Amino acid sequence: QMTQSPSTLSASVGDRVTITCRTSQNISPWLAWYQQKPGKAPKLLIYRASSLEIGVPSRFSGSGSGTEFTLTITSLQPDDFATYYCQQYSSYPGTFGQGTKVEIK
Amino acid sequence: EVQLSDSGGGLVQPGGSLRLSCAVSGLTFSNFAMSWVRQAPGKGPEWVSVISGRGDSSKYADSVKGRFTISRDNSKNMLYLQMNSLRVEDTAVYYCAKGGSSATFDHWGQGTLVTVSS
Repeated sequence: QMTQSPSTLSASVGDRVTITCRTSQNISPWLAWYQQKPGKAPKLLIYRASSLEIGVPSRFSGSGSGTEFTLTITSLQPDDFATYYCQQYSSYPGTFGQGTKVEIK
Repeated sequence: EVQLSDSGGGLVQPGGSLRLSCAVSGLTFSNFAMSWVRQAPGKGPEWVSVISGRGDSSKYADSVKGRFTISRDNSKNMLYLQMNSLRVEDTAVYYCAKGGSSATFDHWGQGTLVTVSS
């Protein structure tokens, strides 16, 4: 069971944004974050809870352990308005959260 | 550059069949497990099926077990998903993705829409 919060987040360019993902079981460190824009496939941002995928800007960071994890975007950019999903891959099958939509305030 | 291009979606009636295809380039295809992941409208992604690099083992989500069959042709760098006995609840965008059932997906196709409706 993956629970993301909030489901929607309104923010402005330059804001610091934090999205939380809670799981019902300890999944450390097997947690990933994806960004998805309308009509596009999800894009891997973070793996193993805090490792940045190659090519992803350093304003994205992941943290957390056990059952609570966060994705932080420092200084939100126009390109960052999208929906974000967490994914646990500790147990079979890997499962995704329901998503957090980051929209323009 | 790794590229995945999926195709084969469309409108089908309940009980019907479709075969999805995914062309892969830019990597040694046979070295990697490949999956199909689907996303229903307004929902998060859902892993559907995975096949090993050699094609000798596969797994399925409970929701599609017995109805869907994953396969691959390593000589052509192609991945397939045969979908039979389709249900309305199978309506989704289907993505091929590089990765396994308990792994991250670091490359995705552009997606192909499957609509099951009478």
